[in-house]
Amino acid sequence: DAGVIQSPRHEVTEMGQEVTLRCKPISGHNSLFWYRQTMMRGLELLIYFNNNVPIDDSGMPEDRFSAKMPNASFSTLKIQPSEPRDSAVYFCASSRGVGGPQHFGDGTRLSIL
Amino acid sequence: GESVGLHLPTLSVQEGDNSIINCAYSNSASDYFIWYKQESGKGPQFIIDIRSNMDKRQGQRVTVLLNKTVKHLSLQIAATQPGDSAVYFCAESWGAQKLVFGQGTRLTINP
Repeated sequence: DAGVIQSPRHEVTEMGQEVTLRCKPISGHNSLFWYRQTMMRGLELLIYFNNNVPIDDSGMPEDRFSAKMPNASFSTLKIQPSEPRDSAVYFCASSRGVGGPQHFGDGTRLSIL
Repeated sequence: GESVGLHLPTLSVQEGDNSIINCAYSNSASDYFIWYKQESGKGPQFIIDIRSNMDKRQGQRVTVLLNKTVKHLSLQIAATQPGDSAVYFCAESWGAQKLVFGQGTRLTINP
């Protein structure tokens, strides 16, 4: 069975550029989560969707961050403009129901120079 | 230089010994708990879960114990192997709401 698929695996870009991270959840899962992981702050929930609808975006750090889920099989997390402090590993996870066991992708390692 | 970051608790065990990783959770209303394992360069991987109507659940080489009285969760790994080296996270939720993750514990295996 295919797990959660994230792309790209690695992204290196200069500050000020737009960054788009992509996620394909597990088929049949109706909840999708975006996390950020850093040494300083650990694993932080940024936003989550249920049935393609954003439910809680209180973890999104600034207006520079936005996320969309146009359909049940695809979500994006966009940072515009990017800053060096956005450097982190970004994970996408999906689950069957919001409170169910979440299955994580292998993350996108983002470096903003 | 490296920024000051989280100081993860670290547990070092001898290969072949049993490991016990502990977690204190925050919400007495939590009714669902999960343990995750995160290896270097990978996402957290589901290990085992338990609901609040149970106090023990066993999987393959792993056992989760739940003590609701003191809000404590533990993960026991039998006959620890080098491949068990990772960071282990507990997570809790209540009322089918989102999971809340702990800070994690780093498990290192001594040969």
